[in-house]
Amino acid sequence: EVQLVESGGAVVQPGGSLRLSCAASGFTFSSFWMSWVRQAPGKGPERVANIKEDGGETYYVDSVKGRFTISRDNAKNSVYLQMNSLRVEDTAIYYCARDESKSFDYWGQGTLVTVSS
Amino acid sequence: DVVLTQSPLSLPVTLGQPASISCTSSQSLVNTDGNTYLSWFQQRPGQSPRRLIYKVSNRDSGVPDRFSGSGSGTDFTLKISRVEAEDVGVYYCMQGTHWKTFGQGTKVEIK
Repeated sequence: EVQLVESGGAVVQPGGSLRLSCAASGFTFSSFWMSWVRQAPGKGPERVANIKEDGGETYYVDSVKGRFTISRDNAKNSVYLQMNSLRVEDTAIYYCARDESKSFDYWGQGTLVTVSS
Repeated sequence: DVVLTQSPLSLPVTLGQPASISCTSSQSLVNTDGNTYLSWFQQRPGQSPRRLIYKVSNRDSGVPDRFSGSGSGTDFTLKISRVEAEDVGVYYCMQGTHWKTFGQGTKVEIK
């Protein structure tokens, strides 16, 4: 059974940093692109970043470029999102998702990031 | 970015009756490989999104056959043949041909 379990969400002040983690199981992790997708309260989802199977390519939505970094450790079946210079508008549930057929076939349960003073 | 516009945004339905959601793209979703990467997701209250349909009309494993997807180019539709109580939630279309973007969502509720 495919499982994606996120952790690391917290309440943080504007300008602060957080590192999110996603532990994957139930599939060959190193064979799939992975993404972080966020959903602000009452809004639709938004893909934030994705990373190639070997970590050699990464892509970001414009609003987080230069502030967020996605990475992965295939030996640990994990993907990470380092978030710096956090803004109030980054407040959202952050989901880890598996990329498949240019879509997302599995999602984690999400971890809540709240940016507030 | 590609903008996906869903309609209606709210859809009250009677149990056992059909429902239909439209998704219109600001650009063609036909990829250079010939495929059209349009997916549909269901998000029940308090849950993560769940994919129902991928590449316009392919149902995911375990998705009831009352859900169907259709369309081409820039216009797509999700249909529920007979709405059940468990279908309540928000439905999103998503395109993967370009940088992945989602529609704004359609809330399905029971009348």
